Amino acid sequence: EVQLVESGGGLVQPGGSLRLSCAASGFTFSNYHMNWVRQAPGKGLEWVSFISSSSSSTIYYADSVKGRFTISRDNAKNLLFLQMDSLRDEDTAVYYCANGGSFGKWGQGTLVTVSS
Amino acid sequence: QSVLTQPPSASGTPGQRVTISCSGSSSNIGSNTVNWYQQVPGTAPKLLIYSNNQRPSGVPDRFSGSKSGTSASLAISGLQSEDEADYYCAAWGDSLNTYWVFGGGTKLTVL
Repeated sequence: EVQLVESGGGLVQPGGSLRLSCAASGFTFSNYHMNWVRQAPGKGLEWVSFISSSSSSTIYYADSVKGRFTISRDNAKNLLFLQMDSLRDEDTAVYYCANGGSFGKWGQGTLVTVSS
Repeated sequence: QSVLTQPPSASGTPGQRVTISCSGSSSNIGSNTVNWYQQVPGTAPKLLIYSNNQRPSGVPDRFSGSKSGTSASLAISGLQSEDEADYYCAAWGDSLNTYWVFGGGTKLTVL
């Protein structure tokens, strides 16, 4: 069974940093592109970042996070990461990891709250 | 303001057929396939339709998708109470610095 489990969320002050992780199991992680998608409280879905499968050769970011967030992966450990720096109030959201080019499977999400 | 436009709400009675629209442009829906996601309140989104009209394994055939030009639609036939959820469309955007774009979501109420 495919499982994606996010962790690392929490409360952080504006300007601070946080590193999210997504542990994958039940599929060949290295064969899949991966994404981060977020959802602000009471709002819709917003795509955040994409990383290509085995060689991480292709990475994309939404304009809203470019220059502040960094996506990476460790295929040996089946882990996806999102390093979030210079956090702003508007980054407050549940962050989901999702696999594949069509976001075929999603994790349960991890809540990031940016507040002073 | 979402790049893809969906009606904020839709409703129907059990057994009815409802459709949800998703409007985009030539740089997203017009040139790429559309996916649909279902999100029951308090849970993670779930892929419902991919590549305009394909259902992942386990998705009932009551759910169907279509695309024409720069618009797409999700149809749900034989509406059931458990279909009450938020529905989102998504497509790849071909514009500079625009990648995946989502609709604002449609809240479906089963009356």
